[in-house]
Amino acid sequence: DIQMTQTPSTLSAFLGDKVTITCRASQNIGNWMAWYQQKPGKAPKLLIYKATTLETGVPSRFSGSGSGTEFSLTINSLQPDDFGTYYCQQFYSFSERTFGPGTKVEI
Amino acid sequence: EVQLLESGGGLVQPGGSLKLSCVASGFSFSNDAMAWVRQAPGKGLEWVSSISSIANRPYYADSVKGRFTIFRDNSKKTVYLQMDNLRGDDTAMYYCARDPRAGDLDNWGQGTLVTVSS
Repeated sequence: DIQMTQTPSTLSAFLGDKVTITCRASQNIGNWMAWYQQKPGKAPKLLIYKATTLETGVPSRFSGSGSGTEFSLTINSLQPDDFGTYYCQQFYSFSERTFGPGTKVEI
Repeated sequence: EVQLLESGGGLVQPGGSLKLSCVASGFSFSNDAMAWVRQAPGKGLEWVSSISSIANRPYYADSVKGRFTIFRDNSKKTVYLQMDNLRGDDTAMYYCARDPRAGDLDNWGQGTLVTVSS
């Protein structure tokens, strides 16, 4: 099974800050990585897929990088609407999709 | 506009069964794989099951294998999750999601709550 770790678990930042969340896979997953934002009581929202591709409609201050086992989600110039919990997800195998444990972003 | 509407959640006793439904609109349903993801209260996301678009091939997380069955009816634009032998740790919000690229989930429903308790 592919295990995902995500750091940090909680992140406190100021408006305008640049923040980075890291996700590590227990084995090489190529670029099969996605990132989601979830707000309390709401369904997750796709931000990034295939490690670096920005989903349509997502602000350009979000960006993804990485390949293999180490990936990052960066938010440039943190905005009030960016609070929430962020999850990475690997989809290297169609029969096994794993989410990271999440990073709560507090502003 | 893509819309996914789940239903079928509720309170069920341990060992019982429930059938969740997710009705899709706004896209060519038969062309896309679909998935179910759950979230226990206060916890993170857990992928539960997926079904491919053409071959209708199902995939399951180890935690539900042998107890849950995913299937779809393309004529009704609906994906289902039959849940049998439910346990307390199945208590969660269950989300239906579209899987357009064999992996990432680009549209989600609002969720349906399943509570397993005596």
